[in-house]
Amino acid sequence: KQEVTQIPAALSVPEGENLVLNCSFTDSAIYNLQWFRQDPGKGLTSLLLIQSSQREQTSGRLNASLDKSSGRSTLYIAASQPGDSATYLCAVTPPGVGGSEKLVFGKGTKLTVNP
Amino acid sequence: ETGVTQTPRHLVMGMTNKKSLKCEQHLGHNAMYWYKQSAKKPLELMFVYNFKEQTENNSVPSRFSPECPNSSHLFLHLHTLQPEDSALYLCASSQGNGQPQHFGDGTRLSIL
Repeated sequence: KQEVTQIPAALSVPEGENLVLNCSFTDSAIYNLQWFRQDPGKGLTSLLLIQSSQREQTSGRLNASLDKSSGRSTLYIAASQPGDSATYLCAVTPPGVGGSEKLVFGKGTKLTVNP
Repeated sequence: ETGVTQTPRHLVMGMTNKKSLKCEQHLGHNAMYWYKQSAKKPLELMFVYNFKEQTENNSVPSRFSPECPNSSHLFLHLHTLQPEDSALYLCASSQGNGQPQHFGDGTRLSIL
């Protein structure tokens, strides 16, 4: 059974710092991996999606990497801002027919960026 | 993000009540999902519908009954719930085939 672990559970940094969030998964057979952001009382917003054949994806100050063989992904946030404060969730999609629908989530990392 | 709308945003109900959660998507997607988010636990997939047909039931108790009358609407009918069912219930939609899922803001459900 696929399990996703995110470390650390919570992180507090001063504004302007570069930071890395970690995600690991137990079964390397995945279809893709996504990073989401969740603000308090809100739903999830997809940040980056990495296909199993890709190594990384970038969007603005965000860069996500994927090492499928070792079951790891990182989300790098450059020059963090208070508006980046949120919970960041990692999710993997198993392969196979219909598998692309079954996202398996980690518990998330709660990020606080202090002004 | 207004593409996926969930109502109500908050719901308090007793264990013997019957209520329904509603989800509507305006994105032209073919797949819709119900998730449960409890404190201290990962987000859990409950149900998946593709083109109005249920394609996934993740061992959800029968006190949760989904309904998908068309590709734009999804309901979750609730009856005789338990206190441990208190959680944030999130709806999502996608084009399927591994495309990103778009989430609503959820319904915060509290069972008394």
